[in-house]
Amino acid sequence: QVQLVQSGAAIKKPGASVKISCKASGYTFRSHVIHWVRQVPGQRPEWMGWSNPANGNRYYSQRFQDRVTITTDTSASTGYLDLRSLSPEDTAVYYCARRDSRGEHFDGWGQGTSVIVSS
Amino acid sequence: EIVLTQSPGTLSLSPGERATLSCRAGQSVSGSYLAWYQQKPGQAPRLLIYDASNRATGVPDRFSGSGSGTDFTLTISRLEHEDFAVYYCQRYASSSWTFGQGTRIEIK
Repeated sequence: QVQLVQSGAAIKKPGASVKISCKASGYTFRSHVIHWVRQVPGQRPEWMGWSNPANGNRYYSQRFQDRVTITTDTSASTGYLDLRSLSPEDTAVYYCARRDSRGEHFDGWGQGTSVIVSS
Repeated sequence: EIVLTQSPGTLSLSPGERATLSCRAGQSVSGSYLAWYQQKPGQAPRLLIYDASNRATGVPDRFSGSGSGTDFTLTISRLEHEDFAVYYCQRYASSSWTFGQGTRIEIK
């Protein structure tokens, strides 16, 4: 079955960077775009961007494009989210999600990675 | 960016009752790229419905979706105990994916 397993929780200081991994299994990694979505507790999910393992193409939400890099490593079947210049407002749970090949929705999700930004 | 507004914010219902959740888009977008997700505390969202009315794999048939244009509905015909959760709609348009603010279904 499809599994996306993310790296563990992180505590960062303002101005630092965080890199989260998302290891995929149970399907052909190149066949599905990997997206990243974050969610502040009690709030709606917020889409951040995607990376296509088949060709390396990436696209980011305008809100994050200046400080985010999303990549995929096909040899490791793993996606990565790199977020820089962290502020307390970046405290959230970060999810990777697999885009369904049938449309513009997400049919598989990682378990989430909690990132706390605090001095 | 498409703004999605869900209503009501909270539904207080009893097991066995029918739940009707609404999702309204701020502008009409061509295509039926509207999905519904269920989220329980401490868990990732789970896909229920895609393209407005298609049930995802393994989703019970008590869940159904409808709508087009700007108005979409998720219906749960008879609530089971495991259905008490938060539900989000999600829309794709212009290379952006947007979520509604959620509807919480709580036990009355």
